Amino acid sequence: AQSVTQLGSHVSVSEGALVLLRCNYSSSVPPYLFWYVQYPNQGLQLLLKYTSAATLVKGINGFEAEFKKSETIFHLTKPSAHMSDAAEYFCAVSQSAGTALIFGKGTTLSVSS
Amino acid sequence: DVKVTQSSRYLVKRTGEKVFLECVQDMDHENMFWYRQDPGLGLRLIYFSYDVKMKEKGDIPEGYSVSREKKERFSLILESASTNQTSMYLCASSYDHDRQNTEAFFGQGTRLTVV
Repeated sequence: AQSVTQLGSHVSVSEGALVLLRCNYSSSVPPYLFWYVQYPNQGLQLLLKYTSAATLVKGINGFEAEFKKSETIFHLTKPSAHMSDAAEYFCAVSQSAGTALIFGKGTTLSVSS
Repeated sequence: DVKVTQSSRYLVKRTGEKVFLECVQDMDHENMFWYRQDPGLGLRLIYFSYDVKMKEKGDIPEGYSVSREKKERFSLILESASTNQTSMYLCASSYDHDRQNTEAFFGQGTRLTVV
């Protein structure tokens, strides 16, 4: 069985500060891992994905994540937060390409000036 | 540009009504999914389909059914709407077993209120 745990339902940072959103996963098979972002009243947009190629994955808007199999983590980072990064972020896992995603409960990122 | 279109952004229905939520994708994806999103609970899988006329229950199928008569369309049906089904509903689609294109694409969501 697969599961995802996002540590921290709310994260607040100052503009220009490091963003770190935490995701722990469990999977009985090599996983496919994703980060999605949701802006208010919109659907989900893919930020980045890990599909067993490079362990350091770069996504859109300056975000990146590193797949660490031994620690079963897939944390999302961005060196310098912008006000426009304020949104809800979801980590997700699937057991094979294209199959149903299992989501974490989400982390709301607030960015203050 | 890839697109998943949900027929309504906002819906208000009465308790006991039969409700249809429609989703259409134009990417020729084999797989389609329905999720509901509630504050603090994230997205939970209701039903999914990996082929036309095929359906599988997700984690919370009670009170829902689905229909997939054509590849591009996946409908979610609330047989008798109840207030605890007030939620945001998100449809998604994906390719089947394509290791280069593994992600799901989401519609804009339908915010359903049952009164």
